[in-house]
Amino acid sequence: DAKTTQPPSMDCAEGRAANLPCNHSTISGNEYVYWYRQIHSQGPQYIIHGLKNNETNEMASLIITEDRKSSTLILPHATLRDTAVYYCTWGTNAGKSTFGDGTTLTVKP
Amino acid sequence: ETGVTQTPRHLVMGMTNKKSLKCEQHLGHNAMYWYKQSAKKPLELMFVYNFKEQTENNSVPSRFSPECPNSSHLFLHLHTLQPEDSALYLCASTGPANTGELFFGEGSRLTVL
Repeated sequence: DAKTTQPPSMDCAEGRAANLPCNHSTISGNEYVYWYRQIHSQGPQYIIHGLKNNETNEMASLIITEDRKSSTLILPHATLRDTAVYYCTWGTNAGKSTFGDGTTLTVKP
Repeated sequence: ETGVTQTPRHLVMGMTNKKSLKCEQHLGHNAMYWYKQSAKKPLELMFVYNFKEQTENNSVPSRFSPECPNSSHLFLHLHTLQPEDSALYLCASTGPANTGELFFGEGSRLTVL
């Protein structure tokens, strides 16, 4: 099984950047990194994904290390509504990537 | 709104009941998935369908029976469930390239008494 390592919890001050790390040391060259978040009792929401290059969209930025063994999700200006569990997954296929326990991000005023 | 709709949102059933969960997507996606999320556990992939054909069954007990009549609809038929089957059941879909994101529904919260 694909294994990711994420810190169980993180805090961030409102308005500051939230940097969420993920280790995926056994990722293969053709496997994507995906990030999702889940607000309590809702379905997970896609954030961003990438293969080798750094990616940015309206929600976040994804920084993937050159060796691809780790990545960081950056929420540039965290708001209280960004409080959620953030999941990093990886695989060749979005639907078959394995979800771990994720990181519970708490944004504080 | 992700374009994936699940009904019912909440379901309470006894162990001898038969019920079904429904998932519908109008995104033109060809792959659909059922996931189970138990309290304080990671999401577990249950079933995968590609073009209406089941391509993956992750050792799910037979009391869960999926059905995919077309690429837009997915059902999960439930029969003689156990209390430990109480969980959030999530449906998701992916597009033709299958390398992009999963679109999840809001889930069906199931309680088995």
